[in-house]
Amino acid sequence: QLVLTQSPSASASLGASVKVTCTLSSGHSSYAIAWHQQQPEKGPRYLMKLNSDGSHSKGDGIPDRFSGSSSGAERYLTISSLQSEDEADYYCQTWGTGIRVFGTGTKVTVL
Amino acid sequence: EVQLVESGGGLVKPGGSLRVSCSASGFTFSSYNMNWVRQAPGKGLEWVSSISSSSSYIYYADSVKGRFTISRDNAKNSLYLQMNSLRAEDTAVYYCARDPGSYGDYSFDYWGQGTLVTVSS
Repeated sequence: QLVLTQSPSASASLGASVKVTCTLSSGHSSYAIAWHQQQPEKGPRYLMKLNSDGSHSKGDGIPDRFSGSSSGAERYLTISSLQSEDEADYYCQTWGTGIRVFGTGTKVTVL
Repeated sequence: EVQLVESGGGLVKPGGSLRVSCSASGFTFSSYNMNWVRQAPGKGLEWVSSISSSSSYIYYADSVKGRFTISRDNAKNSLYLQMNSLRAEDTAVYYCARDPGSYGDYSFDYWGQGTLVTVSS
């Protein structure tokens, strides 16, 4: 079964970096994922598509301080030079034949 | 500029029906797969349904299969979700989302702002 696992929360200080992790279920380590950001009281926003080899393509207007990387079944979103507007929920998402799957989301807090 | 604008949400009684719509602009609507994603109050994102550009392929989450119907009108640049036999657990903000145009990429590259559907007596 295709499942994405995320930690519920992460935090870092203003100007620092934070790394958010998304883990693919067993047997699905080659899957690409996408990262989406949802700021409070707003709709989601696409950040990037992240492949299993770590290559990624970002959405329109996404700042350079958002980057992605991969290791085995784990997919990472790193936010550098953390800003107050980065405080949000971050969801990973993937797909299979006829199905789309979201992770449970990680709430990033800027200290 | 790509824009997706949902409408049609509201309050409906359990067992009732509602149709939500998504109006698209800023891109060639007929060339893109489209989707519905929902978010219950205080909860995470849940994929609901997908439709290919020409309506040849349609998929549903198990939670809505047999009750919801996705459709599109490419001449009107519009996406629809007909929701029947609504339950309290269908209460959510419903988002319209576009797939990228690249082959094999199903990563929701644009989203609307959502429309709230509340199922309550």
